[in-house]
Amino acid sequence: DTAVSQTPKYLVTQMGNDKSIKCEQNLGHDTMYWYKQDSKKFLKIMFSYNNKELIINETVPNRFSPKSPDKAHLNLHINSLELGDSAVYFCASSQEVTPIYEQYFGPGTRLTVT
Amino acid sequence: GEDVEQSLFLSVREGDSSVINCTYTDSSSTYLYWYKQEPGAGLQLLTYIFSNMDMKQDQRLTVLLNKKDKHLSLRIADTQTGDSAIYFCAEIFSGGYQKVTFGTGTKLQVIP
Repeated sequence: DTAVSQTPKYLVTQMGNDKSIKCEQNLGHDTMYWYKQDSKKFLKIMFSYNNKELIINETVPNRFSPKSPDKAHLNLHINSLELGDSAVYFCASSQEVTPIYEQYFGPGTRLTVT
Repeated sequence: GEDVEQSLFLSVREGDSSVINCTYTDSSSTYLYWYKQEPGAGLQLLTYIFSNMDMKQDQRLTVLLNKKDKHLSLRIADTQTGDSAIYFCAEIFSGGYQKVTFGTGTKLQVIP
């Protein structure tokens, strides 16, 4: 059973379009995250939700809007896509009350903006 | 700042030991981690160390922590080709929710 899943795995789209990436976790975790990994493999946190409440919002353009309909889902909607948005986006989850706060990552969504 | 620095690349021969280094920033970090990312996949937790420890050994992995210098290292003994991956150190931001700051990543290449 997949713990953290993302769809789609690959997304190729043109500049100016609006797209969404979906994430689901079946681990019963209460915290979910979106990370962006650029071409140099640098990994930066974008957002974090705890029990559907936004708790971390890094300096991310407001074209990016996360939505958490329930504890198990955290979707990322991107408006007016730009070339610089091309990256791999990872969803992750963790349990707040846990000894080591391990993060469980999804397989990633490779977004290519042309 | 919150930069966690690593050297970008390391190449070793199969059977040798690998040492991956990391310099972190938050002296009050509770936990420090090593994550492994294989090609085309997400990150997976490899090992971790609590901040009141100096060393932790887990089979082929040895983690060393020097709190004074804010230096963390991961030693992989008898490195295998399956160890080829990108390794990220990470620290948890102790001031609030579980914000984990990841290092810049070290790509380990194991030569057969």
